[in-house]
Amino acid sequence: DTVLTQSPALAVSPGERVTISCRASESVSTLMHWYQQKPGQQPTLLIYLASNLESGVPARFSGSGSGTDFTLTIDPVEADDTATYYCQQSWNDPTFGGGTKLELK
Amino acid sequence: EVQLVESGGGLVQPGRSMKLSCAASGFTFSNYGMAWVRQAPTKGLEWVATISYDGSSTYYRDSVKGRFTISRDNAKSTLYLQMNSLRSEDTATYYCTRDRELFDYWGQGVMVTVSS
Repeated sequence: DTVLTQSPALAVSPGERVTISCRASESVSTLMHWYQQKPGQQPTLLIYLASNLESGVPARFSGSGSGTDFTLTIDPVEADDTATYYCQQSWNDPTFGGGTKLELK
Repeated sequence: EVQLVESGGGLVQPGRSMKLSCAASGFTFSNYGMAWVRQAPTKGLEWVATISYDGSSTYYRDSVKGRFTISRDNAKSTLYLQMNSLRSEDTATYYCTRDRELFDYWGQGVMVTVSS
């Protein structure tokens, strides 16, 4: 299985720029996707194929990367962005990163 | 509007069976692969199983192979997950998702608790 590694938590102030990283144990090309999960809710798709913004998602969110290193950027961060963010690869059987919990100061 | 509504969860004893259902609406169900993704309490997301648009192909994570069966009824726009020989480690919220190799729509989830 392809293992995806994310930092467990980040804390930022509203209005700042935040980058959330995801590293894959092997190359997944650009077959990487990002999800947001707010407390008590189901996940929602934010970014697909590394850098494509899902319809309806604010342009404050963006994604980049290829191969083994990927980044989700939120700029500027808003209070409503408090959530856990997951990366997911579709190069082979789907796997998710452990999630990065974003807290606002 | 795409809607995925799961049902059938609850408390079940280890070794017993349970069947989950997911009623889909708002899109042409028979055109899309579907999947189940689970999340143990306070844990991350874990893909469980995928079924192709016509039901001809199914895929499972190793830990559920031989115990879980994913199926679908396109006439009823419904996805199923038959879970046999349940273990405590299967305790989780189970989400029904539309699978395009990314998961673009998710249900609200149904809780399955395996405990004696």
